[in-house]
Amino acid sequence: QSVLTQPPSASGTPGQRVTISCSGSSSNIGSHTVNWFQQLPGTAPKLLIYSNNQRPSGVPDRFSGSKSGTSASLAISGLQSEDEADYYCAAWDDSLSGWVFGGGTKLTVL
Amino acid sequence: EVQLVESGGGLVQPGGSLRLSCVASGFTFSNYWMTWVRQAPGKGLEWVANVKQDGSEKNYVDSVKGRFTISRDNAKNLLFLQMNSLRAEDTAVYYCAREGHTFDIWGQGTMVTVSS
Repeated sequence: QSVLTQPPSASGTPGQRVTISCSGSSSNIGSHTVNWFQQLPGTAPKLLIYSNNQRPSGVPDRFSGSKSGTSASLAISGLQSEDEADYYCAAWDDSLSGWVFGGGTKLTVL
Repeated sequence: EVQLVESGGGLVQPGGSLRLSCVASGFTFSNYWMTWVRQAPGKGLEWVANVKQDGSEKNYVDSVKGRFTISRDNAKNLLFLQMNSLRAEDTAVYYCAREGHTFDIWGQGTMVTVSS
């Protein structure tokens, strides 16, 4: 049972916009910024979004993040086949004095 | 090139020990917190431990407290994870990661299998 809650799966067709939610509590998302990671099959995770809505250099602007209260969302617009991957949210948790991840969302491009 | 490379994984019996290493290159290692994250087969990511730039502060997930020790050698750009009293549920790919804004650089991972 992960501290941050994500839907286990999401899907969309090429060109569509999809969103993935991440729900937490006052001790994590409510108090700290949210980060998102993309993990392509068989590879290490890669930072996608940091500080709620900031993209590292090289990440396409099709990817965007937002946060409100104790929840956050990752949006992917203009969906492409290469976006098929697992997506994880993460934040620091004050109660646990550690980082917590969501359980991950498997994105399928139909 | 900014890079992290893990080593030290392998097969170990329950109750055994293993020491993972992660060598950093391409950035000033001593300027960053460093972290270990693991991923059990077919499962999600789990943060394991992190260590402050000078090694003076360390945090652990509850499930490894008292069994795992994170440390670093800034002179050699090395991060370590000493794992004792290993259990089957510790079986996972272990990644080291740099904590910039967050985990902004990841290694390729090293597999640890705990089995008799």
